[in-house]
Amino acid sequence: GAVVSQHPSWVICKSGTSVKIECRSLDFQATTMFWYRQFPKQSLMLMATSNEGSKATYEQGVEKDKFLINHASLTLSTLTVTSAHPEDSSFYICSATSGRAGYEQYFGPGTRLTVT
Amino acid sequence: QKEVEQDPGPLSVPEGAIVSLNCTYSNSAFQYFMWYRQYSRKGPELLMYTYSSGNKEDGRFTAQVDKSSKYISLFIRDSQPSDSATYLCAMSPPSGYNKLIFGAGTRLAVHP
Repeated sequence: GAVVSQHPSWVICKSGTSVKIECRSLDFQATTMFWYRQFPKQSLMLMATSNEGSKATYEQGVEKDKFLINHASLTLSTLTVTSAHPEDSSFYICSATSGRAGYEQYFGPGTRLTVT
Repeated sequence: QKEVEQDPGPLSVPEGAIVSLNCTYSNSAFQYFMWYRQYSRKGPELLMYTYSSGNKEDGRFTAQVDKSSKYISLFIRDSQPSDSATYLCAMSPPSGYNKLIFGAGTRLAVHP
């Protein structure tokens, strides 16, 4: 149980284009989903928290207009990187939870974004 | 100062060794302490969690929390090459339940 998927697993896009990443909870309903960013050999940095049906809460320093998050249902959240630039190249990981405790987050396999 | 400090390593040990991984933190209000294992280009996988202080054991893994010293540890006994991965500690802050603060991760290599 508690499986989270992400699609695509790897995407290459040209500078200036937008790319959408999907995060799905496959066997449970996720009241909250989180989006993280991870640079090579660095830790996970929380970008935003999203609750189904409401606007995402972004961490300080994360551009809301650049990283659009939509949590349309209890099993799906999307992250759209708009007007991508090479510095947006990173590993994006989502997590989903239906509980309140930190250990109850279940992580997706991640999406590697390369912007050329 | 970062809220959670973790030595990034790398740490290289022979198969069968006991591995000790550690994190320190500054926020005394943290209550949940987690250890995740992350293989290259994969998402983190929860290994263990501990609530408040104390020890917890699961097979070859033991987690310890010392809140008085703001120090947590993960011990791996009889380490195997399959244990080679990055180990991340994470903690839950007092506000914003569910929000995790991660350490930098320690890269572990267990060689045969």
